[in-house]
Amino acid sequence: GESVGLHLPTLSVQEGDNSIINCAYSNSASDYFIWYKQESGKGPQFIIDIRSNMDKRQGQRVTVLLNKTVKHLSLQIAATQPGDSAVYFCAETDYSGNTPLVFGKGTRLSVIA
Amino acid sequence: DTGVSQNPRHKITKRGQNVTFRCDPISEHNRLYWYRQTLGQGPEFLTYFQNEAQLEKSRLLSDRFSAERPKGSFSTLEIQRTEQGDSAMYLCAISLRAYEQYFGPGTRLTVT
Repeated sequence: GESVGLHLPTLSVQEGDNSIINCAYSNSASDYFIWYKQESGKGPQFIIDIRSNMDKRQGQRVTVLLNKTVKHLSLQIAATQPGDSAVYFCAETDYSGNTPLVFGKGTRLSVIA
Repeated sequence: DTGVSQNPRHKITKRGQNVTFRCDPISEHNRLYWYRQTLGQGPEFLTYFQNEAQLEKSRLLSDRFSAERPKGSFSTLEIQRTEQGDSAMYLCAISLRAYEQYFGPGTRLTVT
């Protein structure tokens, strides 16, 4: 079936550098995308979302980019900090909320101090 | 704090036993979801409720699984005759708006 996937399973970055985590999705009907951060032993934590009528959305130190042409999402984290170390998941659904979230496998981000 | 608590946080059980998990949203939300997550994977949808009504169930939800949400507030997920393949993190999520979902800390189940 259609699913969300990630290009890079692990990513190591130096503290202070910018991080980019990528995600490909395959369901063209999805119109809402969310990035979650999951620390060990905890549930996924909402980071930032984007609707399909946008191609960029910024939060605090995070930016999500959406390229609908190639069905690609990315999460950019500016000035990466040790507290950013976690597994990051992208998820897709529809804006009505009638479709459950479909998650990818996750990318582990390790920040080197 | 996402406003969702789950109990117990960890459960170890022997194969064949029944287990029940509970999800308590701090305040009432229309939608409540259950997901299962195995190590290294993203959460997989199991079922969701709109108020008391269970609106959708994944094919992952075998006959041994049952979920309830009496009165549209807290929810329980029961697994009967547990199998080793049931070992996973069971996550509850609530919707503040139809499309946003906020997760609880999860219940880690280990079936020995």
